[in-house]
Amino acid sequence: QQQVKQSPQSLIVQKGGISIINCAYENTAFDYFPWYQQFPGKGPALLIAIRPDVSEKKEGRFTISFNKSAKQFSLHIMDSQPGDSATYFCAAGNYGGSQGNLIFGKGTKLSVKP
Amino acid sequence: GAGVSQSPRYKVAKRGQDVALRCDPISGHVSLFWYQQALGQGPEFLTYFQNEAQLDKSGLPSDRFFAERPEGSVSTLKIQRTQQEDSAVYLCASSLPPVTHEQYFGPGTRLTVT
Repeated sequence: QQQVKQSPQSLIVQKGGISIINCAYENTAFDYFPWYQQFPGKGPALLIAIRPDVSEKKEGRFTISFNKSAKQFSLHIMDSQPGDSATYFCAAGNYGGSQGNLIFGKGTKLSVKP
Repeated sequence: GAGVSQSPRYKVAKRGQDVALRCDPISGHVSLFWYQQALGQGPEFLTYFQNEAQLDKSGLPSDRFFAERPEGSVSTLKIQRTQQEDSAVYLCASSLPPVTHEQYFGPGTRLTVT
C-alpha cells in the first residue's frame, strides 16, 4: 500500500514558469512533510519542509502549500530555472517520534527548458 | 563541514556473493538511517539507529540483510548471498535529534548484482 502518492511522474516547464508537484498521503498520524531534490548520481537533498500547523511555507522560489483536510501538499517552484532540473520527492513522517523513517513518493522528474 | 560519506560508490557482485556497504555519518549525528532506492523510485526505508541501538529494522527485506553500528558512528549494511533483486542504490542518512526528520543523505552506493 503506497502511503504517499506523488504526481505528475514527469514535468516539462519553460524557463521562468511555475513548476507544481502534488502529493497526497493516507496516514493522518503524519505530521512532517519534507521535499527533497535529487540530481543524477547524488543523494537526495532536503529542500523545504512543513508541519500541519501552517498552510504554507515559502523559502526563496520554493513554496509548500498544505491542505490538512484533503491530506494533500504541493511544491511550487516559481521562476523555474534550468538548474532546477532534477527529480523531486515528497515525503511524510512523524516529527520527533520514535519511528524516524520517512515515507517517500515515487518522484517527479522536472525538466526546465531554456 | 563534511557531509555523509558512503563507500564504495559502486559495487558489482556476482549472485550469491556477500557485500558490505559503509556509511560515515555527519560528526555528532546520533540518528542514522539506511534506505534502498530502486531505479526510478523513491527511497524506501530499511533500518534506523540511534547511537549504537538499532531501533527499527522493519524495512529490511529479508534475513539476508543485516546492519550494524557498533560504536554509534560508522555503520555497515551487509547483504549476504546477493540476489539480482538486490540491485539498487543504497542510501545512508543521518540526523540530529530531536529533529529526526531533517535527514542528510550521502551519495549512495550503487549495487549491481550480475
